[in-house]
Amino acid sequence: TQLLEQSPQFLSIQEGENLTVYCNSSSVFSSLQWYRQEPGEGPVLLVTVVTGGEVKKLKRLTFQFGDARKDSSLHITAAQPGDTGLYLCAGARRTSGSRLTFGEGTQLTVNP
Amino acid sequence: DTEVTQTPKHLVMGMTNKKSLKCEQHMGHRAMYWYKQKAKKPPELMFVYSYEKLSINESVPSRFSPECPNSSLLNLHLHALQPEDSALYLCASRPQGRDRGNTIYFGEGSWLTVV
Repeated sequence: TQLLEQSPQFLSIQEGENLTVYCNSSSVFSSLQWYRQEPGEGPVLLVTVVTGGEVKKLKRLTFQFGDARKDSSLHITAAQPGDTGLYLCAGARRTSGSRLTFGEGTQLTVNP
Repeated sequence: DTEVTQTPKHLVMGMTNKKSLKCEQHMGHRAMYWYKQKAKKPPELMFVYSYEKLSINESVPSRFSPECPNSSLLNLHLHALQPEDSALYLCASRPQGRDRGNTIYFGEGSWLTVV
């Protein structure tokens, strides 16, 4: 059972377009992280959200945590080729101790 | 500073070899992790150390042996691996404490190829 559904799995867009990636669950998370990973490198933390309804912005990236803390979204405005990579959401639940639940990832390609 | 350092960056080993992957962090984090990741898939948890004690072993085969010599170091000893063990091995650490959001910080990974 996949506890954190991430969509879309693949996304190929042109430079300048906007996009949104979603992570959804029927479980409540105490916090949720978004990472970006490039081939052969480790995931790099983009943001942690902990409060229901929280919105965080990082330049052209906007992250939102659902009011019920069961879902999250990542919106990229005016995507650039440098945004290309694997985007991972990962949630922590109070009942899971040290474990994180990962989504399956979204492979984003931004074409010049 | 949120740096987790892994060595080596790349490792090629035969199925009869013994090698080790090393990880170091100086952020004072008391939880350290080993993950295995295949291409374009999410990381899979292998081991968790909490306050230098092994707290989680996700039924990992005994050919992988973790070691935590002190609060800053984490090793993964490899012996008699199989070609299907080839993957990116990620070390990670997490600060303890309720107000830290359970954020895990990853190293750059060690690419392992078993031949």
